[in-house]
Amino acid sequence: AQRVTQPEKLLSVFKGAPVELKCNYSYSGSPELFWYVQYSRQRLQLLLRHISRESIKGFTADLNKGETSFHLKKPFAQEEDSAMYYCALSGLNTDKLIFGTGTRLQVFP
Amino acid sequence: GAVVSQHPSWVICKSGTSVKIECRSLDFQATTMFWYRQFPKQSLMLMATSNEGSKATYEQGVEKDKFLINHASLTLSTLTVTSAHPEDSSFYICSAVDRGRSQPQHFGDGTRLSIL
Repeated sequence: AQRVTQPEKLLSVFKGAPVELKCNYSYSGSPELFWYVQYSRQRLQLLLRHISRESIKGFTADLNKGETSFHLKKPFAQEEDSAMYYCALSGLNTDKLIFGTGTRLQVFP
Repeated sequence: GAVVSQHPSWVICKSGTSVKIECRSLDFQATTMFWYRQFPKQSLMLMATSNEGSKATYEQGVEKDKFLINHASLTLSTLTVTSAHPEDSSFYICSAVDRGRSQPQHFGDGTRLSIL
């Protein structure tokens, strides 16, 4: 079955602390993995995708095929990082996205 | 950047009425659009894939007669909730695929539907 699991509904940290938002997936084949972010009162937007292997706003995510994980990390959280984060996957030949349940990140001053 | 406009942003109507939600790609052509439903504090659930000039493809468990999708042009897809009832109240979000760009899907702001 195709599934994306985000075990944490809420993650609260203080400013400057490291952050790791967990994402595990189940997919028969080679999926493409994404992280989407939704700031308060804003639309869902792409944060990063595993094929780009880039760092956006200080966030990185490495695809671990052995552990079927795509955890999102940032070494020093900022208050403006507070948002809802969704992990998602798609198959190679499809535009359809399967979303996880999301993790709300709260960064306290 | 690519913009997807969704209208209306919020609608309240009586039970039994039909409600139409529009999804437009403002600066690009979208041969494929997606419609999602999001319950409070839950994830986005894909309802259907809207393809320009052809019938929509619905996900398992989504009533095609309840949720009518029309994708008449490369920039517009509409979702009509027919004979809406309180259980149809939800947040509906559309997205559009711009094949000329690297981002897989561009999302609209969503429409909050409340059925009284």
